[in-house]
Amino acid sequence: DAGITQSPRHKVTETGTPVTLRCHQTENHRYMYWYRQDPGHGLRLIHYSYGVKDTDKGEVSDGYSVSRSKTEDFLLTLESATSSQTSVYFCAIKKTRDRRADTQYFGPGTRLTVL
Amino acid sequence: SQQGEEDPQALSIQEGENATMNCSYKTSINNLQWYRQNSGRGLVHLILIRSNEREKHSGRLRVTLDTSKKSSSLLITASRAADTASYFCATSLQGGSEKLVFGKGMKLTVNP
Repeated sequence: DAGITQSPRHKVTETGTPVTLRCHQTENHRYMYWYRQDPGHGLRLIHYSYGVKDTDKGEVSDGYSVSRSKTEDFLLTLESATSSQTSVYFCAIKKTRDRRADTQYFGPGTRLTVL
Repeated sequence: SQQGEEDPQALSIQEGENATMNCSYKTSINNLQWYRQNSGRGLVHLILIRSNEREKHSGRLRVTLDTSKKSSSLLITASRAADTASYFCATSLQGGSEKLVFGKGMKLTVNP
């Protein structure tokens, strides 16, 4: 158990509405990641964070923003959701104090449907 | 663009048989990792092999890495129905090890 929770676990929303997904970790690790998983594409990195207020873009960042005001929370926001953002979203952390420092640990995922 | 590509995309075998999955990648790496995903769940790390290693074992898992061919293979021996899952390779790129690049994944079905 990597101590990662995601909320909500499921969400249905309408096109044009804002949506915020939350990732919470209990172990104060520096690196946190947001991925989306779609059939035929595997996992693609949206944004990641390497510390409080330190974030960077990933492969598919358009239409998404993130914030990290506390070590334990990493928020993913869709300012105006579109149907193409229907996906399963995973949060992950990297335990840099762990001897397996490059390994990532994943949360349970959030299934988002945009109608 | 996708760094790692798993092959085959799907594999169906009988319990007790060995399963071999291959991953090819494009650019130089620090390490290559394999992850498993059970249906509806998050990914779970299985094994990591560094660029200066050629083979690694963990229980029933054996992973090899050929940096000259930019390829890796994951062997699961004596497969069990519980090994049914999707498997992903992920590469940590040289000069950017804070990120992993995942392949599209492959589906393994182990029939009892």
